[in-house]
Amino acid sequence: DSGVTQTPKHLITATGQRVTLRCSPRSGDLSVYWYQQSLDQGLQFLIHYYNGEERAKGNILERFSAQQFPDLHSELNLSSLELGDSALYFCASSDLLTLTDTQYFGPGTRLTVL
Amino acid sequence: AQTVTQSQPEMSVQEAETVTLSCTYDTSESDYYLFWYKQPPSRQMILVIRQEAYKQQNATENRFSVNFQKAAKSFSLKISDSQLGDAAMYFCAYRSSVGGAQKLVFGQGTRLTINP
Repeated sequence: DSGVTQTPKHLITATGQRVTLRCSPRSGDLSVYWYQQSLDQGLQFLIHYYNGEERAKGNILERFSAQQFPDLHSELNLSSLELGDSALYFCASSDLLTLTDTQYFGPGTRLTVL
Repeated sequence: AQTVTQSQPEMSVQEAETVTLSCTYDTSESDYYLFWYKQPPSRQMILVIRQEAYKQQNATENRFSVNFQKAAKSFSLKISDSQLGDAAMYFCAYRSSVGGAQKLVFGQGTRLTINP
């Protein structure tokens, strides 16, 4: 158990809908990262938040947005869903104050868009 | 932009034998971090081992060790005494040490099968 929690584990929805994925980082970690794992694109970085502020953006679609709240949990919002958005979405957390700054991953949320 | 390449989509090994998974990367940076993550059928991403580029000594974690060749930009993972529980997808990942660029860049993965 990495200490990172993600809810829900599975999500099945229809095209055009909007969903919210939730992540709670390890205790003490200020950084949250979101990654998407799909069959055709592999593991891709989406976005990084540190202590409530956006730090970096990767290949994140405009239909997707994220935020990190004062209690450090983060949410990834996916809207106007398309079939191609079906993927495993991972959240990872790290402690930038340590030299190692290793990212520990949550169990992921599997999104299926029908 | 940095890239990571895993040239072996699939590998198999007999239980108790040793196997080496390959990884190469491309970067213009001199300081960075490299990782191997394991993804078993449960889909959880589990850190196996990490290497700091400024360290010449190869990292080891029990049965797992790396061969880090900085000049060749190569970072292979050796698994000794393979066990059935080692069966998984293995991903090599790169992380810059530049501030604000902490994202992981992953390779495409190598699926490792352990034959009993």
